[in-house]
Amino acid sequence: AQTVTQSQPEMSVQEAETVTLSCTYDTSESDYYLFWYKQPPSRQMILVIRQEAYKQQNATENRFSVNFQKAAKSFSLKISDSQLGDAAMYFCAYYPQGAQKLVFGQGTRLTINP
Amino acid sequence: GAVVSQHPSWVICKSGTSVKIECRSLDFQATTMFWYRQFPKQSLMLMATSNEGSKATYEQGVEKDKFLINHASLTLSTLTVTSAHPEDSSFYICSVRTGGSNQPQHFGDGTRLSIL
Repeated sequence: AQTVTQSQPEMSVQEAETVTLSCTYDTSESDYYLFWYKQPPSRQMILVIRQEAYKQQNATENRFSVNFQKAAKSFSLKISDSQLGDAAMYFCAYYPQGAQKLVFGQGTRLTINP
Repeated sequence: GAVVSQHPSWVICKSGTSVKIECRSLDFQATTMFWYRQFPKQSLMLMATSNEGSKATYEQGVEKDKFLINHASLTLSTLTVTSAHPEDSSFYICSVRTGGSNQPQHFGDGTRLSIL
C-alpha cells in the first residue's frame, strides 16, 4: 500500500527564519506526483508546490522549495523568510501516475513566532 | 479566482435530518470529483469518488446509504448525509481535478457540519 508519513506533528519557527518540513512516502511506482498543501485556520486547502517524480530538478515557488530525493523517497518542504501568514497545517500528498486518489500524510502544524 | 465552490460553509441541524452539500466546478467540466471528511487535527480521509453520470465509488468503511452522492452534471456533485446523527458532525471537503493525472486537485472551502 502506498503511504505518506509526516514525522513532525508540530513545528515552530521564528518569523523571517527558515523551516523545513519532512515527508517520506512508500511506493513501488516510478512515475508519480508529489504535492504540498497548506490548510490555514480558515480550513481551505491551498496548493503550495508540486513535483513530478521524473524531474530531477527541485521545484520552487517563491519562498517555498522542495528537496526531492527519489531514491530515499523523501520530499521535504523548505519555507524561507517565514511569515506570520505561513502558519497553517501542511499536508504532503502523493499521486501515482494515472491514478485517481491523492494519498495524504498526517499533517504538520506550523507555528510562526513573531 | 476560485476553481471550486462548496455550499453551505456551515450548517447546524437536528439529529435525524438530512443535509445536502453542494460542490460546483467553476469554469471547467469535471467528470470526477472527490469527497473528503476531516476530523479535528487530523488529515483528510477520502470518502468517495464521484463520477459524472455513474455511481460513486466509495472507500472501504464508508456507508453508501448514509452518504449519498449524486453527480448529475459536469459541474455539480452533491453529498447528502441522510438521517444525520451527532457522530456525523465533521468537516466535509470536496475537490476537483482539473485535467490529467499530472494536475493537482483543487479543493472547495469545506462545509462544517454540526448535528445537535
